[in-house]
Amino acid sequence: EVQLLESGGALVQPGGSLRLSCAASGFTFSDYAMSWVRQAPGQGLEWVSSISGSSDGLYYSDSVKGRFTISRDNYRNTLYLQMNSLRAEDTAIYYCAKWRNIVASDFDYWGQGTLVTVSS
Amino acid sequence: EKVMTQSPGTLSVSPGERATLSCRASQSVGSNLAWYQQKPGQAPRLLIYGAFTRATGIPARFSGSGSGTEFTLTISSLQSEDFAVYYCQQYNNWPLTFGGGTKVEIK
Repeated sequence: EVQLLESGGALVQPGGSLRLSCAASGFTFSDYAMSWVRQAPGQGLEWVSSISGSSDGLYYSDSVKGRFTISRDNYRNTLYLQMNSLRAEDTAIYYCAKWRNIVASDFDYWGQGTLVTVSS
Repeated sequence: EKVMTQSPGTLSVSPGERATLSCRASQSVGSNLAWYQQKPGQAPRLLIYGAFTRATGIPARFSGSGSGTEFTLTISSLQSEDFAVYYCQQYNNWPLTFGGGTKVEIK
């Protein structure tokens, strides 16, 4: 059974940093690209970042480019999102999501999310 | 960036009735279109990919159609568990983009 478990969400001040983690199990982690998708309170879904299985492909939305860094550890089956220079508008539930297959960046499994609140 | 526009914003439907949700892309996305269902307090769930292929375990009352810029999700006979918010997502180009969602509520 595929499981994705996010952690690391917290209350952080504007300008602060946070690292999110997503522990994956139930599939061959290194075979699949992964993504982070966020959802601000009461709002819709927003894609944040994606990483290929071998980490040679990194993709970011314009809203986080230069501030967030996606990475993965295929030995630990864990996905990360390093978030720097956080802003109030980064407040959201952050989901990690697994790509359905090697080329199709739709998401067949999602974690339950971790809440990031940026506020003073 | 390909903008995805969903309509209507809210759809009021009685149980057992048919629901038709629309998703329009600002430019062609081919058939690289997915639909998700999200219930309160839960993560999204993949319903449809490739515009019309049901994901594993999705009931046959859910169907997708369309290509290019116009897409439709149809729920043939709404069950109580289908009242939720539905999102479309294009994965034809970066950045990946989602529609704003359609809330399907009980009439």
